[in-house]
Amino acid sequence: QSALTQPASVSGSPGQSITISCTGTSSDVGSYDLVSWYQQHPGKAPKLMIYEVSKRPSGVSNRFSGSKSGNTASLTISGLQAEDEADYYCCSYAGSNTFDWVFGGGTKLTVL
Amino acid sequence: EVQLVESGGGLVQPGGSLRLSCVASGFTFSTYSMNWVRQAPGKGLEWISYISHSSVTIFYAESVKGRFTISRDNAKNSLYLQMNSLRDEDTAVYYCAGDSNWSFDHWGQGSLVTVSS
Repeated sequence: QSALTQPASVSGSPGQSITISCTGTSSDVGSYDLVSWYQQHPGKAPKLMIYEVSKRPSGVSNRFSGSKSGNTASLTISGLQAEDEADYYCCSYAGSNTFDWVFGGGTKLTVL
Repeated sequence: EVQLVESGGGLVQPGGSLRLSCVASGFTFSTYSMNWVRQAPGKGLEWISYISHSSVTIFYAESVKGRFTISRDNAKNSLYLQMNSLRDEDTAVYYCAGDSNWSFDHWGQGSLVTVSS
C-alpha cells in the first residue's frame, strides 16, 4: 500500500484555525471509517488525537476535530496555540486483502 | 499511568540480528492487541507488525515479512520483536504501540536500531 498524501507543511497564527488533509484511495480511507490522527513533537513518541475519523480520546482538547469525505480525511485544529506546533500524521486501515495499516507522510504545523 | 518501555536497540551490521523488548505497565496488557511501528530518521511512520492479545493472530508488513517475528508474554507484560537479516533500510526508531478502537492509543518512547557496517 502507498502512503497517504498529506501536505508537507501548514501554518497559522495563534487563535486561527487550520485544516490538514489526508488523501488516500478507495482501498483505504474511502473504504473504512478507521482513520486516526497522531501528533508528534520533536524527539517524542506519537500521541493519538483522533480515532475512527472523528472521535477524540479522553484528555484531547475539543479544539481538535476530524472528518472524512470520500477518499480524503481532514484534521482541523481551531484556536491555534503555540503548543500545537508539531508533526501530524494520519493513518488508515487498508486491509482489503490482508491486515495492513498505512500512514501519511506527515505534516509540519508551524504556529506563527 | 500507562507506560510502554522499549529496549534492545543498538548498532548492528547488515545481515545481523537484534531483539527488541517492550514492557507494559498501567493497563491490562493481556487484553490489548499490540503492534510495532517504526520511523526512519527524518521520515514518517510505518506499521510493521501486529499481534492479537492471545497471540493467535499475527500480521506483518511486506517490508519485514519473513525476517521479523513478533511475540508476547502476557505473564511478563512484555512484547518482543526478533529482527533477522537486517538491512540498511531497517534503520529506524522502533515503537511498540497498543491498539484499541482501531487506532494506536498507547506508545512507547522508542528504541533506535541502526544497521550499518
